Amino acid sequence: DVKVTQSSRYLVKRTGEKVFLECVQDMDHENMFWYRQDPGLGLRLIYFSYDVKMKEKGDIPEGYSVSREKKERFSLILESASTNQTSMYLCASSLAASKNIQYFGAGTRLSVL
Amino acid sequence: AQSVTQPDIHITVSEGASLELRCNYSYGATPYLFWYVQSPGQGLQLLLKYFSGDTLVQGIKGFEAEFKRSQSSFNLRKPSVHWSDAAEYFCAVGGGNTGKLIFGQGTTLQVKP
Repeated sequence: DVKVTQSSRYLVKRTGEKVFLECVQDMDHENMFWYRQDPGLGLRLIYFSYDVKMKEKGDIPEGYSVSREKKERFSLILESASTNQTSMYLCASSLAASKNIQYFGAGTRLSVL
Repeated sequence: AQSVTQPDIHITVSEGASLELRCNYSYGATPYLFWYVQSPGQGLQLLLKYFSGDTLVQGIKGFEAEFKRSQSSFNLRKPSVHWSDAAEYFCAVGGGNTGKLIFGQGTTLQVKP
């Protein structure tokens, strides 16, 4: 069965902290994605990666960076967390030949105080 | 511009009643279309997908959706709603070789006993 695992379900951080959100998939998928989800705004793409060490900006990359050193792991980094980054963060992965079918992790709810 | 619109932010139906959730999209090429469901505190689960062929597609949990190219719509239906269907529903469109999806704002479904 398809599995995308996000390391934390809930995180509380302080303004200015460096925050790492980790995502691991066990399906050998080429593509991985990070979204943030806010009420009334749906899912907005932050970054995605279509191969190891490859990354592309999504619609809202400001204040975020990513790392993909291994195929199965895609990390989202908040260099200096701010209160407006309080949100639900969702990771997803897909097979390159799968016609865009994405599989999602359970999400990380991040609160920045 | 590519976009997905879910006109209804919130819908309430009685248990046993029929359901239709609306989705309209704008996409330059032939779209791949998806409906996902998100239960509270969870990630997104794929309900159904349309790639080509028969415009009426069946999904899990008794849901179906109809692709209408002339109306740029992909509405989700269920003949009889169960209390466990209460959740947030997202329509999404994709089609490029990046694997990216564009999501609508979501529709929250409440089911009355």
